[in-house]
Amino acid sequence: DGGITQSPKYLFRKEGQNVTLSCEQNLNHDAMYWYRQDPGQGLRLIYYSQIVNDFQKGDIAEGYSVSREKKESFPLTVTSAQKNPTAFYLCASSPGQGGRQPQHFGDGTRLSIL
Amino acid sequence: GESVGLHLPTLSVQEGDNSIINCAYSNSASDYFIWYKQESGKGPQFIIDIRSNMDKRQGQRVTVLLNKTVKHLSLQIAATQPGDSAVYFCAENMDKGYSTLTFGKGTMLLVSP
Repeated sequence: DGGITQSPKYLFRKEGQNVTLSCEQNLNHDAMYWYRQDPGQGLRLIYYSQIVNDFQKGDIAEGYSVSREKKESFPLTVTSAQKNPTAFYLCASSPGQGGRQPQHFGDGTRLSIL
Repeated sequence: GESVGLHLPTLSVQEGDNSIINCAYSNSASDYFIWYKQESGKGPQFIIDIRSNMDKRQGQRVTVLLNKTVKHLSLQIAATQPGDSAVYFCAENMDKGYSTLTFGKGTMLLVSP
């Protein structure tokens, strides 16, 4: 079945540590996105990528980094510069640029601080 | 794990009732809108979308209504079932130098048997 796979489902970060969240899609979509979700909040865009080897900052990119070396993969690194990383992280994809078409989501990674 | 539904507006209905979930959007220039359903611990799932050249669109047991005059969107769920219990988000397209979806905070729907 086609879809988006995020791993791990749960992740713990120590102080000063960088951690990387994985996102893989087999939908052959060009565009991919990372969102952060906090309790009682809507999704906030961290980074997006419209095509391989290109990505752009979203609304809350500080403390995060991404890469897009392959069409199917868009990993997110939460760096030690992100002082409040505890959240639910969601990866999404869409066939093209995502403003006027549905984005398809993975089942998220929950990141917590040790 | 911590629920995404903390502190959200909540709609409680009985099984079999019709549910109406409302959403006010912010940008009068938005021309595309979408509803998602999110169950606890999972990612949002697409329900239905609508473009601004329409004021109503129907799917299976769901109807989306768009009122551009007052910038209001609603999702109607017919014959609500316990499996419909979830958080429902609306989203609008918004151009901020890039075109993407901007999400509302959501409404929790609780369906009692």
